[in-house]
Amino acid sequence: AAGVIQSPRHLIKEKRETATLKCYPIPRHDTVYWYQQGPGQDPQFLISFYEKMQSDKGSIPDRFSAQQFSDYHSELNMSSLELGDSALYFCASSFAGNTEAFFGQGTRLTVV
Amino acid sequence: EDQVTQSPEALRLQEGESSSLNCSYTVSGLRGLFWYRQDPGKGPEFLFTLYSAGEEKEKERLKATLTKKESFLHITAPKPEDSATYLCAVRGGAQKLVFGQGTRLTINP
Repeated sequence: AAGVIQSPRHLIKEKRETATLKCYPIPRHDTVYWYQQGPGQDPQFLISFYEKMQSDKGSIPDRFSAQQFSDYHSELNMSSLELGDSALYFCASSFAGNTEAFFGQGTRLTVV
Repeated sequence: EDQVTQSPEALRLQEGESSSLNCSYTVSGLRGLFWYRQDPGKGPEFLFTLYSAGEEKEKERLKATLTKKESFLHITAPKPEDSATYLCAVRGGAQKLVFGQGTRLTINP
């Protein structure tokens, strides 16, 4: 079965650079969630989209922005990167925002 | 605010030694309690969804149960390949899933 696809899988950026993470949800899923997970931490909710509109917002820095496109894929844009942004970034998708969410394999971002 | 607390933080068992993991939650209007398994460096893998008190779900050596205040993940006769971090999450009034800190389970052969 098709799963959530994230790209790239690994990314190394320097401080103050910009990064773009992409997420392709499971076909027919209309809700996308973004989470950040630091070492030994639980996933922290950043932002979610339902039918291309922002549906919920968590602890997402103002330096980050995201959107969901007409084909339901989503992109997380991160600017002015800081060392503390180094983490695993997960995308998840669900149907109608009321069912279980399935996670991708994540993007490991390292800021040096 | 929705909150999830998991215990214990870490658990070591011998192969075949059954046990239970706990997930206590406070949420306004539960719209689902979810169990995930996560291996190091990988994305959380969905295991179960529970919606109402008294509900139970089973999959191989795992069984999840739900009350109005907590959920248990029972593991029966575990094998070394069951070693992972088990995450509990709830969905309340908002769409987001709120996660607990997880239980790091190690099964020794």
